[in-house]
Amino acid sequence: DAGVIQSPRHEVTEMGQEVTLRCKPISGHDYLFWYRQTMMRGLELLIYFNNNVPIDDSGMPEDRFSAKMPNASFSTLKIQPSEPRDSAVYFCASSLDATDTQYFGPGTRLTVL
Amino acid sequence: GQSLEQPSEVTAVEGAIVQINCTYQTSGFYGLSWYQQHDGGAPTFLSYNALDGLEETGRFSSFLSRSDSYGYLLLQELQMKDSASYFCAVRDSENYGQNFVFGPGTRLSVLP
Repeated sequence: DAGVIQSPRHEVTEMGQEVTLRCKPISGHDYLFWYRQTMMRGLELLIYFNNNVPIDDSGMPEDRFSAKMPNASFSTLKIQPSEPRDSAVYFCASSLDATDTQYFGPGTRLTVL
Repeated sequence: GQSLEQPSEVTAVEGAIVQINCTYQTSGFYGLSWYQQHDGGAPTFLSYNALDGLEETGRFSSFLSRSDSYGYLLLQELQMKDSASYFCAVRDSENYGQNFVFGPGTRLSVLP
């Protein structure tokens, strides 16, 4: 069974450009999480969905960030416009229910020049 | 708010036992989890404690004391492949128990 799938694995873009990160959760998982990891701030929860509905987006840094989950098998995290300080590894994770076993995708390493 | 504290680095030799501590402050508490992350990889789930006591899974054990807001991860018979970062994470009662916060991580180096 495939795990959480993220694309692209690496993204290099210039400041001001729009960036879209994609995630396919494990089939049957009702929860989907977006995290950002940097050396300075560690692993931060940005937003999570339950049954495709955003439950808590208090971790989203600012209005430049938006996330959607149009169906149970797909989610996007968009940054528009991107800034150098957005450079980080972005992880998507999913879980079956309200437990602590989250399954992480391989991550997208974003570099904004 | 929530805060978690872990040692930043731990070093041990192959075959040894190492304990990684985690203290937390949360508004309400559901459980403490541990994740492992190798360099360049994704966090992977190791263990979860909702109640006081010790949970054992092979070479790894995790302990929780809710009254002390404290837990630890115990790694026995250390192997080189255990060199990684280890994160504790709490799930607290904000947002219907889905508020996940990760600690800063402990980098474990296993020496030959």
